[in-house]
Amino acid sequence: NAGVTQTPKFRVLKTGQSMTLLCAQDMNHEYMYWYRQDPGMGLRLIHYSVGEGTTAKGEVPDGYNVSRLKKQNFLLGLESAAPSQTSVYFCASGQFSEAFFGQGTRLTVV
Amino acid sequence: GENVEQHPSTLSVQEGDSAVIKCTYSDSASNYFPWYKQELGKGPQLIIDIRSNVGEKKDQRIAVTLNKTAKHFSLHITETQPEDSAVYFCAPRGSARQLTFGSGTQLTVLP
Repeated sequence: NAGVTQTPKFRVLKTGQSMTLLCAQDMNHEYMYWYRQDPGMGLRLIHYSVGEGTTAKGEVPDGYNVSRLKKQNFLLGLESAAPSQTSVYFCASGQFSEAFFGQGTRLTVV
Repeated sequence: GENVEQHPSTLSVQEGDSAVIKCTYSDSASNYFPWYKQELGKGPQLIIDIRSNVGEKKDQRIAVTLNKTAKHFSLHITETQPEDSAVYFCAPRGSARQLTFGSGTQLTVLP
């Protein structure tokens, strides 16, 4: 059982480049989330989805877009990367109780 | 959404001592109270949870207590060991669809 899988695990981008982070879950969860975690800080919610075809803004949505075309996948896009988006990104899925996390994507924008 | 406060932000204890972390929340409709542990380089993982119809739950060396009247719940770790060193997060769930985490507590167990 794979759980929550994030790809890629590491990425270096140049300022202004775009990229998409993929999150896939095989637990049939309705809810999926994207967080960023900066050094010494907690988990800040970027965007979330409560079901296929739905998305909503979290605490820090600026500079990011998301899509949930399939129930098992939640994509996070950076249209024009900025150094301030250097962070570790975590995806999570769940229903109304336990949340399951991926291993994270370490993104560096230079 | 839920307003969550977690204290302390850092906690150092001697191996074998106990550690307590407190989480305060705002949504009176909250009914699920979990604690997550994040080890270095990994995503957070659930270690213990409690629901609103229970006041305390214990699993070996860890326990969670809930005070719904005061809107706070706590994580208790007894007989701490070096492998307990990690960051701990609370994430109370209520009526909001968002999943909001506390700011985290860095626990260091000193040998």
